[in-house]
Amino acid sequence: DVVMTQTPLSSPVILGQPASISCRSSQSLVHSDGDTYLSWLHQRPGQPPRVLIYKVSNRFSGVPDRFSGSGAGTDFTLKISRVDAEDVGIYYCMQATHFPRTFGQGTKVEIK
Amino acid sequence: QVQLVQSGAEVKKTGASVKVSCKVSGYTLTELTIYWVRQAPGKGLEWVGGFDGEHGQMVYAQVVQGRLTMTEDTSTGTAYMELRSLRSEDTAVYFCATDFISEFDLWGRGTLVTVSS
Repeated sequence: DVVMTQTPLSSPVILGQPASISCRSSQSLVHSDGDTYLSWLHQRPGQPPRVLIYKVSNRFSGVPDRFSGSGAGTDFTLKISRVDAEDVGIYYCMQATHFPRTFGQGTKVEIK
Repeated sequence: QVQLVQSGAEVKKTGASVKVSCKVSGYTLTELTIYWVRQAPGKGLEWVGGFDGEHGQMVYAQVVQGRLTMTEDTSTGTAYMELRSLRSEDTAVYFCATDFISEFDLWGRGTLVTVSS
């Protein structure tokens, strides 16, 4: 199975300041079709996760442009340019290139 | 509006079975691949099972292999997940999810399954 490793696991941030989360996979996430199926999801307590970024850098519909994704191969990053109060919660990277699908451990973002 | 509507919470004894449903509303089940993901209390997301269209086979996580069956009733547009020989460590919220526009972009609200002795 592909192991997804996120850092940091906890990120206290100041409102209005940037934040960054890294995700590393144990093997390449480049699919045989040429795409890289790495997504970032955000989960608030008591709610299902929702997609922010898909295929490394594509922002999902309705997601604020302060969120951006980058990376290639096995190393990926989610950046929040200016953290807003509604951004608190847990962020997961997820790979959908290989079966079984696997998630990172989650990064808890909270306001300092 | 496309939605995945899940069945209600369940409480089961150790060794029993549970069947959770996920009804597709506003779209056709046959056009979707339904995956199941679980989340133990206070823990992260764990993929449980789903159909690998590339190889034409159902794939299950090792931890539920042999105990999990995923089925679909296309007449009602409902997907099911049945987990047998329940253990305390199976206590979790079980989500159904699908790749609608992008990977795992559509989720059900989750079904809490509590396993106790």
